[in-house]
Formats: sequence, C-alpha cells, structure tokens
Amino acid sequence: NAGVTQTPKFRVLKTGQSMTLLCAQDMNHEYMYWYRQDPGMGLRLIHYSVGEGTTAKGEVPDGYNVSRLKKQNFLLGLESAAPSQTSVYFCASRQGMREQYFGPGTRLTVT
Amino acid sequence: GQQLNQSPQSMFIQEGEDVSMNCTSSSIFNTWLWYKQDPGEGPVLLIALYKAGELTSNGRLTAQFGITRKDSFLNISASIPSDVGIYFCAGRSNAGGTSYGKLTFGQGTILTVHP
Repeated sequence: NAGVTQTPKFRVLKTGQSMTLLCAQDMNHEYMYWYRQDPGMGLRLIHYSVGEGTTAKGEVPDGYNVSRLKKQNFLLGLESAAPSQTSVYFCASRQGMREQYFGPGTRLTVT
Repeated sequence: GQQLNQSPQSMFIQEGEDVSMNCTSSSIFNTWLWYKQDPGEGPVLLIALYKAGELTSNGRLTAQFGITRKDSFLNISASIPSDVGIYFCAGRSNAGGTSYGKLTFGQGTILTVHP
C-alpha cells in the first residue's frame, strides 16, 4: 500500500493563478482532511470530507475549494492564489476509530 | 475556538539527555495525541491517549493525559540524534456531537539533539 500520497510535492504560483492539489489514499478510508502548516502555528484544518460526495469547511476555508468525487481522492483547489496561501499543505485520512494518517505534504509558494 | 499552547517552542539538548514538553488547553479534550514530523515529511503518530490520567509508553517515549483533560505531557528519555524533528500535540473533543474527528494542533516543539 502507498498510504496517503500527495501531488505535486512542490509548486510555485504567481498571484492570481489557479491550481489543484491532489490527495490519494489506497486504504479505503472514509474520512479525508486538508490542512495547512505555517511556521509557529501548527496545522490548521481547511476542509474535510466524511465520505464520497461530501465536503465541509474547517477552520480556515476561505480561498479554497474541495471535491471528493471518488472515495480515494480528495482535491484541494485554489481559484486565485494569493501570497497568504504560501504554506505547506497536508492531506490526511482516517477510518473508524483509528487516528489520522498524513501524507508527505505539498510545499506551495505564491509570488 | 479551542486553542492549544505547546511549550517549549524549541529545545537544544545533548545526546543522552531526557526531554519534556507539554500542551495546555483552554477547554477539555477527550483525546490527546502526540505526533512527530521529520523534515520534509508529514506528521507521524507517536502516542494516543484516550482516558484522563492515562500514562502510555512507546519505547523511550512516555505521554500522559492530564487529569483535568486540559493538558498532556510528552517525555523522551535518553535522547538520540534521530529524535530530531518537530513534535506536535493534538487534541480532539466530541463537543456538539461531531464525529468527523477534528483535531486541534499545538504550535509544535522543535527538538535539536547534539551528538
């Protein structure tokens, strides 16, 4: 099993550009999450999904959209990137009472 | 909203020394978790605590769930160079009947171990 994978690993965007980050898990997990990590602030939840076809807002959802069309994939979109969205993005998944399992992260820089 | 204060922010220690770090919260959590993050990687779960007062070990790591449910502690004994990384605490509450497993993370403790 590959676990949780994230694509791409690195990306540089110009202000106003759009992009989609892909998270894929092969563990048949129901729950999936997108976090951002900024220096000195820990991880903050952007959006999450409790199952295929469902999504919900976390604590910092503004400027992001998500979709969960397939159970194994959770996409995070930035429609118009801003420098404040420069961060490291982590995806995680979970099943039942087990704890969250994190991917390796995507480092995004917006200039 | 819920906040976690993790301390210290960073530690510089010699190999072989013991390490202690803690997290405190303004509200109650039903679960406390401790994660480690290596450079360029995602967080990896070290220890999970589910009962107030619980003391759990994982090799040289020991963590405790505070009796008030508002704090947790992590100790690392006899540190080695591979202990280097960022350690995060995370708490989960079931307030409001939420079942999606929302975690609140501390700011992290950066650990440096000198050989």
